[in-house]
Amino acid sequence: ELKVEQNPLFLSMQEGKNYTIYCNYSTTSDRLYWYRQDPGKSLESLFVLLSNGAVKQEGRLMASLDTKARLSTLHITAAVHDLSATYFCASGRGADGLTFGKGTHLIIQP
Amino acid sequence: GAGVSQSPSNKVTEKGKDVELRCDPISGHTALYWYRQSLGQGLEFLIYFQGNSAPDKSGLPSDRFSAERTGGSVSTLTIQRTQQEDSAVYLCASSYDSYEQYFGPGTRLTVT
Repeated sequence: ELKVEQNPLFLSMQEGKNYTIYCNYSTTSDRLYWYRQDPGKSLESLFVLLSNGAVKQEGRLMASLDTKARLSTLHITAAVHDLSATYFCASGRGADGLTFGKGTHLIIQP
Repeated sequence: GAGVSQSPSNKVTEKGKDVELRCDPISGHTALYWYRQSLGQGLEFLIYFQGNSAPDKSGLPSDRFSAERTGGSVSTLTIQRTQQEDSAVYLCASSYDSYEQYFGPGTRLTVT
């Protein structure tokens, strides 16, 4: 059974600071997803990582994947208030659906 | 283009009643997924449809839950004899190639 663990589950940080969210998964998987969820909203796809060493960047967010360590990271650079949201990582494919982590609730304060 | 749509957006029902939740996937997407999001359980995968193929129902939480997909497009998730623990947000997602899933806005179900 695939398990996905994120940490931290809650993060309060100041604007302008850098931080990293970690995502560990329990079994071999070649796909790792990051989603963003704003309060009362649905899930917005941020990144899909498909291979070992994959790195993707969008604005102040950068995601990477290490399949050997079964670890993905989401790095936030020079955080701004608009990035406040809950971030989920997920793994899996096809008929098994996605297995999600519990989410990281991120608050960025001015 | 149009994204995944779900209806109703909110549903309040009395315990014991049946409810139907609808999902319209993105046109051309052959894969369709149902998930449930609740405070206690987080995001849980429920069921997957690929085209017109029969789904694997093993992820459904109980036999009160059923789902169907007509014509390889619209899907309905039915919950019979609702219980309070069924209260959650039910999310539908669709995918063209099981690669990236696009989520709908969800149906918030409240069982009183």
